[in-house]
Amino acid sequence: AQSVTQPDIHITVSEGASLELRCNYSYGATPYLFWYVQSPGQGLQLLLKYFSGDTLVQGIKGFEAEFKRSQSSFNLRKPSVHWSDAAEYFCAVYGQNFVFGPGTRLSVLP
Amino acid sequence: DGGITQSPKYLFRKEGQNVTLSCEQNLNHDAMYWYRQDPGQGLRLIYYSQIVNDFQKGDIAEGYSVSREKKESFPLTVTSAQKNPTAFYLCASSICGNSYEQYFGPGTRLTVT
Repeated sequence: AQSVTQPDIHITVSEGASLELRCNYSYGATPYLFWYVQSPGQGLQLLLKYFSGDTLVQGIKGFEAEFKRSQSSFNLRKPSVHWSDAAEYFCAVYGQNFVFGPGTRLSVLP
Repeated sequence: DGGITQSPKYLFRKEGQNVTLSCEQNLNHDAMYWYRQDPGQGLRLIYYSQIVNDFQKGDIAEGYSVSREKKESFPLTVTSAQKNPTAFYLCASSICGNSYEQYFGPGTRLTVT
């Protein structure tokens, strides 16, 4: 069975600081990996995805993520956070089906 | 503009009543999905459909029903059998059943009292 964990329920960073959101997955083979963002009361928007090839993927809004097979991780990063990045972030895995992590809520201090 | 619409944004019902949530897409996607979102639990799959007139149960289908009579529409009925129906419901679609990228609607918040 496949699963996704996001160890951090809530993270607070200052505007302009760097950000890393953690995601670990469990799946027997290499899955397809995604990061979505959700603003309060809204649907989910795809930030980036990894299918194969270069393990560092670039996404929208200045986000990037790195796939590390040895650590079964797909962490999301941004070098400088903006106040508008405050939202909930979901890591998702597609192996046999789509599985979402529980989410990490990001707060940004001015 | 292409996209997924869900209506209404907020829905209130009395306990014991069935309620139907609307989901429409004009992306010409074959596959459609319904998720339930509760605080701290991420998204859980209720039902999905890869083709018209066919649908499959997800992880938490009990107390829910769906239909897929048209490619564009995938309504979800929350029946009185659903023990805890208050939640945020998200509809999504993808190009085909094996497409790995899902597009989401804005969601419907259902409150049952």
